[in-house]
Amino acid sequence: GQQVMQIPQYQHVQEGEDFTTYCNSSTTLSNIQWYKQRPGGHPVFLIQLVKSGEVKKQKRLTFQFGEAKKNSSLHITATQTTDVGTYFCAGLADTGNQFYFGTGTSLTVIP
Amino acid sequence: DAGITQSPRYKITETGRQVTLMCHQTWSHSYMFWYRQDLGHGLRLIYYSAAADITDKGEVPDGYVVSRSKTENFPLTLESATRSQTSVYFCASSESKWNWGAFFGQGTRLTVV
Repeated sequence: GQQVMQIPQYQHVQEGEDFTTYCNSSTTLSNIQWYKQRPGGHPVFLIQLVKSGEVKKQKRLTFQFGEAKKNSSLHITATQTTDVGTYFCAGLADTGNQFYFGTGTSLTVIP
Repeated sequence: DAGITQSPRYKITETGRQVTLMCHQTWSHSYMFWYRQDLGHGLRLIYYSAAADITDKGEVPDGYVVSRSKTENFPLTLESATRSQTSVYFCASSESKWNWGAFFGQGTRLTVV
């Protein structure tokens, strides 16, 4: 079935460095959602993208939906220790009633 | 307080026992979901509900039973717990099925011994 893959699985960065996680789908998506989960916490909804090529920003976070609506990225500029956590994408296939979470990217920020 | 609450937060049970995880939301969201989270698998949908008395299977429903007699409650029952059901379980709610973000509860860490 349709799956949403995320890379990398783990990322360690020095505080102040940038970070990017990528989400790729085998099929076209109607939307892509991004969530953040702090260690020991629960997923928290960050944003949803629905349009081809859409770019949205939240402070230091930039979210992009690919032109073909099969991939997405989350970019964090100048990471801070508060950015630590696992970032998940989740997508709705436009072919049917399928919604899948990616396996997540775990971000560690070294002070 | 408004929100979504799960209970218990931690549970240890024996193989073969029945266990029920509770979920309560105060937003009056139509949709409620149960996910399990395991290392290497991310979040996988167990069951979801569109309204009271309307439930449907997700990706991994085997071994689980749900009910939704009231809009605000969505309990998940493991009829005969197995070790493979050791996991962190998250309940979530949303105004939409998949077209807007979901709000997650704090999770229940279940260990089956």
